[in-house]
Amino acid sequence: NAGVTQTPKFRVLKTGQSMTLLCAQDMNHEYMYWYRQDPGMGLRLIHYSVGEGTTAKGEVPDGYNVSRLKKQNFLLGLESAAPSQTSVYFCASSQPGNPPYEQYFGPGTRLTVT
Amino acid sequence: GDSVTQMEGPVTLSEEAFLTINCTYTATGYPSLFWYVQYPGEGLQLLLKATKADDKGSNKGFEATYRKETTSFHLEKGSVQVSDSAVYFCALSAFGSNYQLIWGAGTKLIIKP
Repeated sequence: NAGVTQTPKFRVLKTGQSMTLLCAQDMNHEYMYWYRQDPGMGLRLIHYSVGEGTTAKGEVPDGYNVSRLKKQNFLLGLESAAPSQTSVYFCASSQPGNPPYEQYFGPGTRLTVT
Repeated sequence: GDSVTQMEGPVTLSEEAFLTINCTYTATGYPSLFWYVQYPGEGLQLLLKATKADDKGSNKGFEATYRKETTSFHLEKGSVQVSDSAVYFCALSAFGSNYQLIWGAGTKLIIKP
């Protein structure tokens, strides 16, 4: 049982390049989330999904797109990377139903845009 | 809207000192409350949780009690170790936030030997 995994762990992009971050979970969770964490700051929600085929915007969605084609995977895309997107990206998953709706996190992807 | 406020860090303590990290919240209804920990270079891990008033969450020597009258969920540990050095995040999940997690800004804890 691997929990939540993220690929890749590190990536360096040049301004204007594109990339996709992959998140996978093996807990059969319905909900999945993408966050970014900037140095010395807390987490900000980018996009989330409440089920296969559905996505919704979070607090800071601009410049990102997501897809949830399979229940266990949640992809985060950057179409044209900008230095402001340099950050650590975390994926999380949770299961709705009874509280407490705790989220399980992946190890993170450290992205640098030059 | 729902919100979480944590004490600012960094908090620097000597080994075996008593720890308190304050967390207060604003939420509609009866939120669930969480403390997450992030060790250097790692992702976030759930440390403890509480789902109703007067519940006490505990794990690894850490405790926090859900106080509805003061809307607080302060994290405490009686004797900290160097290995407790990390960033601690308080969070809530409530009906008003569509059960998404609302995060505090995090408190960096530094324990000196």
